[in-house]
Order: sequence, then C-alpha cells, then structure tokens
Amino acid sequence: TQLLEQSPQFLSIQEGENLTVYCNSSSVFSSLQWYRQEPGEGPVLLVTVVTGGEVKKLKRLTFQFGDARKDSSLHITAAQPGDTGLYLCAGEEVQGAQKLVFGQGTRLTINP
Amino acid sequence: KAGVTQTPRYLIKTRGQQVTLSCSPISGHRSVSWYQQTPGQGLQFLFEYFSETQRNKGNFPGRFSGRQFSNSRSEMNVSTLELGDSALYLCASSSIGLAGGYEQYFGPGTRLTVT
Repeated sequence: TQLLEQSPQFLSIQEGENLTVYCNSSSVFSSLQWYRQEPGEGPVLLVTVVTGGEVKKLKRLTFQFGDARKDSSLHITAAQPGDTGLYLCAGEEVQGAQKLVFGQGTRLTINP
Repeated sequence: KAGVTQTPRYLIKTRGQQVTLSCSPISGHRSVSWYQQTPGQGLQFLFEYFSETQRNKGNFPGRFSGRQFSNSRSEMNVSTLELGDSALYLCASSSIGLAGGYEQYFGPGTRLTVT
C-alpha cells in the first residue's frame, strides 16, 4: 500500500499570513486530491491534480502536483479565519483499482 | 444533484451490540466507499462496493461488513461492538473528474459512540 505523509500536522497562524502544507510520498500516484473537513462533517473536495507539474488556483489557494507525481503542496495566501479546518490530501493508487490513499491531515487554525 | 446522504447522523450503542449504517450515493454514481475516522488514526479505508460487488477491502476485522443494493445504496454493519469502534463513519461516492482523476464525494458521516 502506498503511503502519504502530510506536514505539518498542526499549524496555527494569524490572519493575513501565508502558509504551505506538504503532502509527500515515495510512490507515484495517478492523481491527487485535496479535501477540507470541518468538525462533525465529511471532507469536501477542493481540487484534483492529474498531470505532473500541474498548478491549480482556487481563489487564495494554490495547489501544485510534483513533476514526478509523488508529492503535492497547498499554499494559502493571506489566510482568513474561514480557512480553518482539517486539510487532507489523497492519492489515487497507480496499481489499485480506483482506490485513494489518504494522508493523516493538517489541522489548520487561523486566528483573527 | 443531491449530495451523499448518510443515516443516522448520530448513534449511541452499547458494547456487544451491532449497528447498521446507511449511505445513499450521488445519483448516477455506482461506487461507494466507507471509511472510519478517529483522531488518532485519521481516515482508515474499510471497503468499496461497485455494482453490488466488493471491489476493495481495508484491514479491518470481519466484524465490519457491508453490502450494496441494485440502486447503489449501501449499508455497513458492525457486529459485537467494541469501545474502540467509536468513530465517525464516512461514506463516499466516486466518479472520474472532467480532467481525469478519481474523485470521492463524502457524506456528512455517522458519529458512532460505543459505551
């Protein structure tokens, strides 16, 4: 089974600051997804990246897929309290039959 | 389109009992996956069903089982509940995104508490 490691596990910053969350593996993935989860709710899909080197932007969030499709990053510019939540990355296994492997998550807190 | 729905949202059971959780996927989605989420272990994959057949299975004991019906609705069952089964159980239905890539859409989850 392929593994995904997210860092940092916890991050608490002030409103207006920038941050980056990393998702790393030694394995290649067919695609990679980022989700955000709020307490008591299910994860919500933010973005899917498919091509090595691909960059996608969602307002103040920038997602990048590594050239070798083994890693990804999420960068938030000018963080806001509404960005608070658990961010999860998930990789689609190359060998598996349409199966996702999830990282442990990054719990982000943006303080006003 | 309506999203993934799960029932019940909250459940309290006693050790030794069994429980059945239900999930209705997004209309047109034929794949349903189940996950267990706990603070210490994160999201753990239980199993996936596609067209009424179990396609993938995680590393959980046989007390955890599931099934899928012809309308793609799915149920999971946990027998002989243990305190450690307390968790948020998430169901997700899947599709291939417009640009490719396997995407899962999650329901709100069922919070199971075993006492």
